[in-house]
Formats: sequence, C-alpha cells, structure tokens
Amino acid sequence: QMHLQESGPGLVRPSETLSVSCTVSNDSIVNFRYYWAWIRQSPGKGPEWIGSIFHSGTTSYNPSLERRVTISVGTSDNQFSLKVVSVTAADTATYYCARHCNSNSCLPGGDWYFDLWGRGILVTVSA
Amino acid sequence: DLQMTQSPASLSASVGDRVTVTCRASQTINNYLNWYQQKPGTAPQLLIYGASNLHSGVPSRFSGSGSGSEYTLTIASLQPEDCAVYYCQQTFSRPTTFGQGTRLEIK
Repeated sequence: QMHLQESGPGLVRPSETLSVSCTVSNDSIVNFRYYWAWIRQSPGKGPEWIGSIFHSGTTSYNPSLERRVTISVGTSDNQFSLKVVSVTAADTATYYCARHCNSNSCLPGGDWYFDLWGRGILVTVSA
Repeated sequence: DLQMTQSPASLSASVGDRVTVTCRASQTINNYLNWYQQKPGTAPQLLIYGASNLHSGVPSRFSGSGSGSEYTLTIASLQPEDCAVYYCQQTFSRPTTFGQGTRLEIK
C-alpha cells in the first residue's frame, strides 16, 4: 500500500526558507490518478491547502501563499518538495503531504478528496 | 475564498448517542463536500466524499447528507473511538477550504 513520509528540519529562522520533502513509497509518484499536495495546520486550526503538483510538474497554489511557495517533483527519487520563502512565526505549523484525485480520476460523486496523508512534520519558525 | 462554518465548535455525547455535526458554506457548493476525522497527533482521515459517499473502510455508522450550502455528518451510534475533531472541506471552488473543526468528546 502506498505510503507518504515527510522529512525536513523542525526549526527555521524568521526570514529564511522552509524546505520539506515527501517520499512516496510502495508505488510510483508517476501515477495518472493522483495529484500530490501540501497541507498545513496551525495548532487548534483547520487544515490549510498550500498547493498541489502532478507528476508532469503542473502546479496549482493557494493564492494566499502563491508568492512565497514553490512545489516541485522528483520522479527519479519518488519525492515531491515544498519551499516557503521569507517565513514568519505565522508559518509555524504541522506540514502534511497528501495525495488527491481530480474530477477525471476520483470515484463517482467525488472531487479533490485527500485520501492518503503522511504523518506530518512540525516546523517551528523561531530565532 | 469560500468560507466553511461548522457547528457546534464542540460537543459532548454518550456512547450510543446519535450525533450530528453541521457545515455551512458561504455559497452553494453542489455536494462538493468532504468530511475528515482527526485524532490527536495524527493526520486527518477521509470519512465521506461527495457529501454522502462513505470512504472505503469507514464504519457504516458514519453518514453524510445535505445539499446547497448546508451539510451534515451523522454518527448513528457513538463509539468511544469516535472521540476526535471533525472537519468539512469544500472542493466546489479553488482554493479548496476546510472548516474550523468540531471537537467531539465522550461523556
């Protein structure tokens, strides 16, 4: 069964760049059914979608974060990654990687549901 | 962005109770609504997609309904393992957005 695992530093200094990666195991990231997403969750808040990428490299981002965010995919090492530049304390959160389908590949009646998540990685922005 | 408002913010119920959580969207979302369950220290897990479709492996005591801008998640007979935070997610418009959560406790 496919498995997702986040990795990266747990502490980032203000104004620097947050970088986290997600390794896809037990299946290929080159999969026409799925998109690969980053979602974050601040303590006590609901999840916030950051952006998604297809294995071809096609991306879509949340407009609220788009100016500071880049998502990339590495098909040779079965990973996708997130970079957030110029971080502040407001970027402190648990960062999850997840997969989702789209209207062409979801089960009937569904769209963009996140049906597999990594365990998450807590990233703290602090001096 | 399309806003999702959940109610109540928290509730406490007894084992065996029927429990309902409501999610209201700031506009009609045509059943583009998913529900997740999140237990402490873990990632959210998909329960319901497309407003009323039970995700594979989810117990049948969970169900979803609704239309337009108002949707409900119902637990038919509350079990101890259902203690969690529940989130709704709209996928009608981008960016996809989540509600603020409903915390369910067992009396």
